[in-house]
Amino acid sequence: QLQLQESGPGLVKPSETLSLTCTVSGGSISSSSYYWGWIRQPPGKGLEWIGSIYYSGSTYYNPSLKSRVTISVDTSKNQFSLKLSSVTAADTAVYYCASSSGRTFDYWGQGTLVTVSS
Amino acid sequence: DIQMTQSPSSLSASVGDRVTITCQASQDISNYLNWYQQKPGKAPKLLIYDASNLETGVPSRFSGSGSGTDFTFTISSLQPEDIATYYCQQYDNLPPGYTFGQGTKLEIK
Repeated sequence: QLQLQESGPGLVKPSETLSLTCTVSGGSISSSSYYWGWIRQPPGKGLEWIGSIYYSGSTYYNPSLKSRVTISVDTSKNQFSLKLSSVTAADTAVYYCASSSGRTFDYWGQGTLVTVSS
Repeated sequence: DIQMTQSPSSLSASVGDRVTITCQASQDISNYLNWYQQKPGKAPKLLIYDASNLETGVPSRFSGSGSGTDFTFTISSLQPEDIATYYCQQYDNLPPGYTFGQGTKLEIK
């Protein structure tokens, strides 16, 4: 069974870049069976898909965030990463990484709270 | 972009009640509709996939139905452990993307 764990700074300053990493265990990130995605949830609000990446490097982003998002994969470390640039307070959220078999998000990390504040 | 309208936003029901949540897509999404349960402080958990298929290990009191634009999620007999927020989620393959409904917070009366 896959396990995912997010890591990265819990506090980011406005206008800077948010960077998070998701470490995958219990399976290979190079598997053709999965996409790897990021989803976020502002405090007290709903879920928002940020983007996904296939092991080959193909990426798909939420159009509302596309200009600021980069998702990449490091197969040697079995990790994938999220970078969100020019952050504002509106980007404060719990960020989840998850695996997707295509249409569903099957396995999720526990989530990590990132606060944007000076 | 496909929009998902989920209702109600909150719901109070008694143990043993039948509970129904609906999700409407802004355009035909076939059966590309999933349902998740999220308990406070936890990650969402997949319950129903492709509109009506029960994920392995999920109790049979949970069910889903619908296709096209209108979908329904039902708990046949509410249990105390079902207190959570429920989300629908659609998948769009042109281009690939995912959209969640606004969520339904379920409470015990």
